[in-house]
Amino acid sequence: QKEVEQDPGPLSVPEGAIVSLNCTYSNSAFQYFMWYRQYSRKGPELLMYTYSSGNKEDGRFTAQVDKSSKYISLFIRDSQPSDSATYLCAMKKGTNAGKSTFGDGTTLTVKP
Amino acid sequence: DVKVTQSSRYLVKRTGEKVFLECVQDMDHENMFWYRQDPGLGLRLIYFSYDVKMKEKGDIPEGYSVSREKKERFSLILESASTSQTSMYLCATGRNSGNTIYFGEGSWLTVV
Repeated sequence: QKEVEQDPGPLSVPEGAIVSLNCTYSNSAFQYFMWYRQYSRKGPELLMYTYSSGNKEDGRFTAQVDKSSKYISLFIRDSQPSDSATYLCAMKKGTNAGKSTFGDGTTLTVKP
Repeated sequence: DVKVTQSSRYLVKRTGEKVFLECVQDMDHENMFWYRQDPGLGLRLIYFSYDVKMKEKGDIPEGYSVSREKKERFSLILESASTSQTSMYLCATGRNSGNTIYFGEGSWLTVV
């Protein structure tokens, strides 16, 4: 069983919809939680970073972590066609970002 | 802005060939990483380096080796390419205590 499971998708929504992207994990030692966005034929780029449980908001994006349930989510409000990409959750135990464990990614398409 | 450059974006190689993938970063980061990304398997760490001439195996090092002779440059070597190594390869860099890693744009390798 994988340490990190991500809702597989793909997901297709109309412009303006609220999108929820989700991951579950099994290792309670994970302390840091990240969301990366990856456009087609590009490398991933960091979108949101959260330490421990709680919510973090950045514009139209909200990252939510529930450590008791081992569940993290990324919400996108007022989704735009430019949000069409693959979203990867990632998490790590310590401070070295490169030793993150990644989910498989969810591909989102926002239709105009 | 951090720049991580993977010089070869698209390569086609024959089975048994030796393949070099080069990665150069301009941010003086201590850590450099090589991942491969495959549909359904997500992002998997092959090798990483935390200093010049230092390296550690990741989750899937078999069939690969690496070289880091200078801080800014990290090479991935496929000694004898096989069709199972057809994949997208991503280089990344980060600081020792950084919360994120920065990815290159990826190298698409096809082994025929």
